[in-house]
Amino acid sequence: EVQLLESGGGLVQPGGSLRLSCAASGFTFSSYAMSWVRQAPGKGLEWVSTISGSGGSTYYADSVKGRFTISRDNSKNTLYLQMNTLRAEDTAVYYCAKGYDSSGRNFDFWGQGTLVTVSS
Amino acid sequence: EIVLTQSPGTLSLSPGERATLSCRASQSVSSSYLAWYQHKPGQAPRLLIYGASSRATGIPDRFSGSGSGTDFTLTISRLEPEDFAVYYCQQYGGSPRVTFGQGTRLEI
Repeated sequence: EVQLLESGGGLVQPGGSLRLSCAASGFTFSSYAMSWVRQAPGKGLEWVSTISGSGGSTYYADSVKGRFTISRDNSKNTLYLQMNTLRAEDTAVYYCAKGYDSSGRNFDFWGQGTLVTVSS
Repeated sequence: EIVLTQSPGTLSLSPGERATLSCRASQSVSSSYLAWYQHKPGQAPRLLIYGASSRATGIPDRFSGSGSGTDFTLTISRLEPEDFAVYYCQQYGGSPRVTFGQGTRLEI
């Protein structure tokens, strides 16, 4: 059974940093692209970032480029999102998601999400 | 960036009825790289359709997707009580960047 378990969310002040983790199990982690998708309160889904299975390719939404860094440790079956220079508009539930087809950019399994609140 | 516009914003129907949800792209979505998701409060989103018309694993056949280019449709042939949720379309073609529509709320 595929499981994705996010952790690391919490309350942080504007300008602060946070690192999210997503522990994966139930599939060959290194074979799949992984992504982060967020949902701000009362809003829709917003793609944040994607990383290839090997970790050699990364992609970011313009809204987070230069501030967020996606990475993975295939030996630990874990996905990360390092978030720096956080802004109020980064407040959201952050989901990690597993790539489905060969594009890796549609998502068949999602975690339950971790809430990040950026506020003073 | 490809912008996806979903309509209607809210759709009010009853169990047993047919639902038709629309997703229009600001430019052509290459190779029909268009997906649909169902999202219920407090739950993880669920992939329904990918490649514009292919059902994901385990998705009932009352869900179907169609369209190409800039106009796409999700149809739920006979609504079940568990189908009432928010539905999002997503494009993932061409550029590595991914965009979602703003969602359609399907309510009783």
